[in-house]
Amino acid sequence: GIQVEQSPPDLILQEGANSTLRCNFSDSVNNLQWFHQNPWGQLINLFYIPSGTKQNGRLSATTVATERYSLLYISSSQTTDSGVYFCAVVETSGSRLTFGEGTQLTVNP
Amino acid sequence: DTAVSQTPKYLVTQMGNDKSIKCEQNLGHDTMYWYKQDSKKFLKIMFSYNNKELIINETVPNRFSPKSPDKAHLNLHINSLELGDSAVYFCASSLPLRGVSRKSSYNEQFFGPGTRLTVL
Repeated sequence: GIQVEQSPPDLILQEGANSTLRCNFSDSVNNLQWFHQNPWGQLINLFYIPSGTKQNGRLSATTVATERYSLLYISSSQTTDSGVYFCAVVETSGSRLTFGEGTQLTVNP
Repeated sequence: DTAVSQTPKYLVTQMGNDKSIKCEQNLGHDTMYWYKQDSKKFLKIMFSYNNKELIINETVPNRFSPKSPDKAHLNLHINSLELGDSAVYFCASSLPLRGVSRKSSYNEQFFGPGTRLTVL
């Protein structure tokens, strides 16, 4: 099956800093989603982005499908951005949403 | 106006018991899923139903049985609970793609709040 690798595994920032999270995948995909799991365990949809670029407030994401990676940008980070960020994909030949292991983000005040 | 809801939110039970987790979505989606998140936060699909038909059944012990009474509900029943079943279980749903009913997973999936199951 498809492999999904996220980096870095852990990231600690000061409030106000910017960051880039990366997701590499081993095969072509028809679905790529970014999620934020907050400290209360909720999985919040950030982006549905199998290709292209999207922006939502301080967050933006870019997926370069031909090179099999996606990037999540967080600008002017806030303490409420803390949590685990997951990338998940469905490969073109498959039907399962496969998750990466996540990036644990801690934003300190 | 919750989109995907699950009950209960927390479930603490003894080994050997049978328990159920309920999931409902009001998004009008045709496809629903169950995922398991282990203690290391790794998320993996367990089952997928499209319009009450089982589409995906991962390598899950047959003590786990999903039931879909209608396309808005997907319940998970677990028999003879074991310590290793302790985890967070998430329900999700998505729309099917027009003309590609078995590839609903290509569409954006929306997750419920999760049910934390603790087996003592």
